Amino acid sequence: KNQVEQSPQSLIILEGKNCTLQCNYTVSPFSNLRWYKQDTGRGPVSLTIMTFSENTKSNGRYTATLDADTKQSSLHITASQLSDSASYICVVSANGRGSTLGRLYFGRGTQLTVWP
Amino acid sequence: KAGVTQTPRYLIKTRGQQVTLSCSPISGHRSVSWYQQTPGQGLQFLFEYFSETQRNKGNFPGRFSGRQFSNSRSEMNVSTLELGDSALYLCASSLKEGGGSGNTIYFGEGSWLTVV
Repeated sequence: KNQVEQSPQSLIILEGKNCTLQCNYTVSPFSNLRWYKQDTGRGPVSLTIMTFSENTKSNGRYTATLDADTKQSSLHITASQLSDSASYICVVSANGRGSTLGRLYFGRGTQLTVWP
Repeated sequence: KAGVTQTPRYLIKTRGQQVTLSCSPISGHRSVSWYQQTPGQGLQFLFEYFSETQRNKGNFPGRFSGRQFSNSRSEMNVSTLELGDSALYLCASSLKEGGGSGNTIYFGEGSWLTVV
């Protein structure tokens, strides 16, 4: 069964600290993995997208890693800011003939809270 | 350029009523998909449209329907509303259909539906 599991479910850190969010998936055949940031009451915004051959991708203070062998990804946030408080959603896309958006598999997200 | 626009942003309906939500994709995007987001279930895929054709449908009852117009704008309709339909409904658009790595998916801000 194609699934995406994220951990932790929620996380509280102090401003300026680093943190790492985890994403494990069983989606197969794998096409790509995306991380989205969703502020409360807003739509998700894309942070990174990685294919099978990419191990690391950065977007400012956000760095995503992918280990396609172990089917794990992480999102590392450096020097956190109050504006980083949001839900971070891992999305995995499956490959296949005539792939459609129906083949996107969503994690339930990690709720990050950054305290001053 | 303008992002994905969803209207209305907030609405309250009573059980048994029906509701229509609208989505205007980014100019030039022909793929539109819809998602339901609830705290307990995360993002759940509803359906995807590409060039006015429904390409895929999620596991939702027939009360949920949608369509796409020739200008790529899309609407979704929910009939005979139930309390459990209360959720954030997100629309996403992309240039191409599918979850391929070269296809960035942009989300709108969502429509908050409350059923009382």
